[in-house]
Amino acid sequence: SQQGEEDPQALSIQEGENATMNCSYKTSINNLQWYRQNSGRGLVHLILIRSNEREKHSGRLRVTLDTSKKSSSLLITASRAADTASYFCATVRRLAGGRETSGSRLTFGEGTQLTVNP
Amino acid sequence: GAVVSQHPSRVICKSGTSVKIECRSLDFQATTMFWYRQFPKQSLMLMATSNEGSKATYEQGVEKDKFLINHASLTLSTLTVTSAHPEDSSFYICSARTGYNNQPQHFGDGTRLSIL
Repeated sequence: SQQGEEDPQALSIQEGENATMNCSYKTSINNLQWYRQNSGRGLVHLILIRSNEREKHSGRLRVTLDTSKKSSSLLITASRAADTASYFCATVRRLAGGRETSGSRLTFGEGTQLTVNP
Repeated sequence: GAVVSQHPSRVICKSGTSVKIECRSLDFQATTMFWYRQFPKQSLMLMATSNEGSKATYEQGVEKDKFLINHASLTLSTLTVTSAHPEDSSFYICSARTGYNNQPQHFGDGTRLSIL
């Protein structure tokens, strides 16, 4: 089962508007990542934020992380029709003692389907 | 950027056929590769994790004899769906990562498997 929950499940906006997607998780994490998936394709990595970071920017993307609330948000500013896709958050768990292992895996949220109308 | 090539992109075959899917990291060495399954309009479900040169670690409920994984080199992992049946029809996606947890995973474009 997926540990992450995302809301909204679907979001439809007009081109030029901002889109905000939220993600919640349940365990302590090492980092949180956001991915994008176009229909019928693989995932594209957008941004990684570590557990000791609170905000990160990449182009039109802004990600926040609140570890006290176990939540993250992805903001896409000035959206374009080409931003239409599914967006997933994914977490890497922090193991006991803060250990990292090369085998630790991503746990994905359920995703948000974003539609940007031209 | 890092590129992962997955093929075939689509397979249609008869029930009982075994199907092999390849996942290659083209410009980096993938110490760890992951295989996911995705149903329509759903999230990715991790099937197994493989580290080069060792046996894959399967998630609970995933039959290792049904889904054979080989990670023989740092650039290639294969998933073989043995004696596939219609219920195995799905979208299978591989990903690869080098190093440790603060590195992103790089995904292939997926394989749409349809069993008739």
